Amino acid sequence: GNSVTQMEGPVTLSEEAFLTINCTYTATGYPSLFWYVQYPGEGLQLLLKATKADDKGSNKGFEATYRKETTSFHLEKGSVQVSDSAVYFCALRMGGGADGLTFGKGTHLIIQP
Amino acid sequence: DAGITQSPRHKVTETGTPVTLRCHQTENHRYMYWYRQDPGHGLRLIHYSYGVKDTDKGEVSDGYSVSRSKTEDFLLTLESATSSQTSVYFCAISESTTGNTGELFFGEGSRLTVL
Repeated sequence: GNSVTQMEGPVTLSEEAFLTINCTYTATGYPSLFWYVQYPGEGLQLLLKATKADDKGSNKGFEATYRKETTSFHLEKGSVQVSDSAVYFCALRMGGGADGLTFGKGTHLIIQP
Repeated sequence: DAGITQSPRHKVTETGTPVTLRCHQTENHRYMYWYRQDPGHGLRLIHYSYGVKDTDKGEVSDGYSVSRSKTEDFLLTLESATSSQTSVYFCAISESTTGNTGELFFGEGSRLTVL
């Protein structure tokens, strides 16, 4: 079956540090890939997405590139802020599948001032 | 923000009692989902719907049933709640299953505690 693997953390960084959260996937075919963010007490919000190989998704200073050859979709940000503290989920969706997204277990990110 | 409302947002109940969670959307999206979120497990799909009266099981469907009698409403029922069903439940919707409209939009969650 399809699956997503990401580091669970917590990942603790200082403000203005460079962020990488690794995400790799296993899928039979070529999925669409997503990063969602969840702030405390809230639902999940779409952060960025990529629907085909070599696409780069970007939003709010975050970026991720769909790498088919390494089956990866790593999340990066050049300079994190305290307000980026949240849980980040990597997810995939197979085209045409009505059964939604397959999620990784989430990475808890803590940014210290 | 996508128009998704979950109710109740918080509920405490006792083992063996029935519980129904409601998800209401104003986006007229075809697909609706119920997930549960638990520490160490991320989000796991319980049931989903691909149209009125069209539903199917997800990864963790045992002990849960769903109904969708109108496009805008998707109900999740625990017929006889157990402590293992203590969780945060999220409803989600999507317009399609592919491409640039295949993402899911999530509600704010319903926290259920079964004593």
